[in-house]
Amino acid sequence: GESVGLHLPTLSVQEGDNSIINCAYSNSASDYFIWYKQESGKGPQFIIDIRSNMDKRQGQRVTVLLNKTVKHLSLQIAATQPGDSAVYFCAENSLSGGSYIPTFGRGTSLIVHP
Amino acid sequence: GAGVSQTPSNKVTEKGKYVELRCDPISGHTALYWYRQSLGQGPEFLIYFQGTGAADDSGLPNDRFFAVRPEGSVSTLKIQRTERGDSAVYLCASSAGGPGTPYNEQFFGPGTRLTVL
Repeated sequence: GESVGLHLPTLSVQEGDNSIINCAYSNSASDYFIWYKQESGKGPQFIIDIRSNMDKRQGQRVTVLLNKTVKHLSLQIAATQPGDSAVYFCAENSLSGGSYIPTFGRGTSLIVHP
Repeated sequence: GAGVSQTPSNKVTEKGKYVELRCDPISGHTALYWYRQSLGQGPEFLIYFQGTGAADDSGLPNDRFFAVRPEGSVSTLKIQRTERGDSAVYLCASSAGGPGTPYNEQFFGPGTRLTVL
């Protein structure tokens, strides 16, 4: 069936480095993708989103890239800080019973070393 | 303003017992969602409300799970005859619009950690 998944379960970086978290999706009909950050004991927090008619979107220190040809999504974090340590999820909004419901991947744990 | 709140933050119960988990969405948000998150996994959709009605309950695992939102604001997730496999973090989210459009930001609460012994 259709699924959303992540390539790397854990990513360790040094403070100040750039981080790249990858996500593969298989539902070619998905038209909206979201990256969430989840810190321990908290709910997921929206970081950035991208629509399928775009291939790049930038926020503050974050950039999301969408490659529809290979069904790949990535989150780039510039100048990674210790406060960026968390689990990052990609999610696609897919149509289910007339409603768009997010389907989450497993998540990547980002560890930032000072 | 205040975000989504959930109570209790932790709930420990015994197998076979009944539990209720509460969600207070952001004021004015018409859409409310429940998810379940197991350790090391992403959130899994359970049910979605638009106003007072359950617009999509396709994620509820079985008839032991039920949710209500009688006045279109606070919602309660109810689990009957709890099983050890129900242990997870139950997350609630709300959004200003319904998911009739795919471009709909959801705001999540901190979750309720349910442990069934």
